[in-house]
Amino acid sequence: QSALTQPASVSGSPGQSITISCTGTSSDVGGYNYVSWYQQHPGKAPKLMIDDVSNRPSGVSDRFSGSKSGNTASLTISGLQAEDEADYYCSSYTRSSTWVFGGGTKLTVL
Amino acid sequence: QVQLVQSGAEVKKPGASMKVSCKASGYTFSSYAMHWVRQAPGQRLEWMGWINTGNGNTKYSQNFQDRVTLTRDTSATTAYMELSSLRSEDTAVYYCARKKSATNGFDIWGQGTMVTVSS
Repeated sequence: QSALTQPASVSGSPGQSITISCTGTSSDVGGYNYVSWYQQHPGKAPKLMIDDVSNRPSGVSDRFSGSKSGNTASLTISGLQAEDEADYYCSSYTRSSTWVFGGGTKLTVL
Repeated sequence: QVQLVQSGAEVKKPGASMKVSCKASGYTFSSYAMHWVRQAPGQRLEWMGWINTGNGNTKYSQNFQDRVTLTRDTSATTAYMELSSLRSEDTAVYYCARKKSATNGFDIWGQGTMVTVSS
């Protein structure tokens, strides 16, 4: 199972919005509404930000939102804040009844 | 509170095996699946497999199919991940992560266990 494709890095200024894409295939992202997004700060465990494409768990800021079109899912962060600077990973359930992660995207808040 | 506490860091020789534990507390252990994810230094997250903590059924990534074994002890509310035939490329932080029951995200993560494979 190949990793899902994410941009290596994105950046934005405080207050701006950014979007991170996550591209897979019809066997994973496109085939199921089971895409999740995780935030990981250096040296820390990942934190669930979005699951099932667009569901935001309790306690996660409403500045984070998710969507999907075809084989590509997206995470949008609006009103960028300094503490949003982190690595972001997407994940999807697959046709093989396994899970796969993306390559990760480093978000820099300028 | 709901938490997963993993065993401590380990150093292993190539060819050896390792076993990481993940102690769950604050919730009904057998009601939630447990997944294992690893992250080599500076690299991406990599899914390894999961165990149904209720009946013990497992599913492994093809990348680890022949080397990984997931088990659980429901009385101890602890999940275990054993990886055999270790090589230097297995040097990584290993995480256990609980899968939410209603949706498909991993909502609770252990603190991670650093395993170094070196001769």
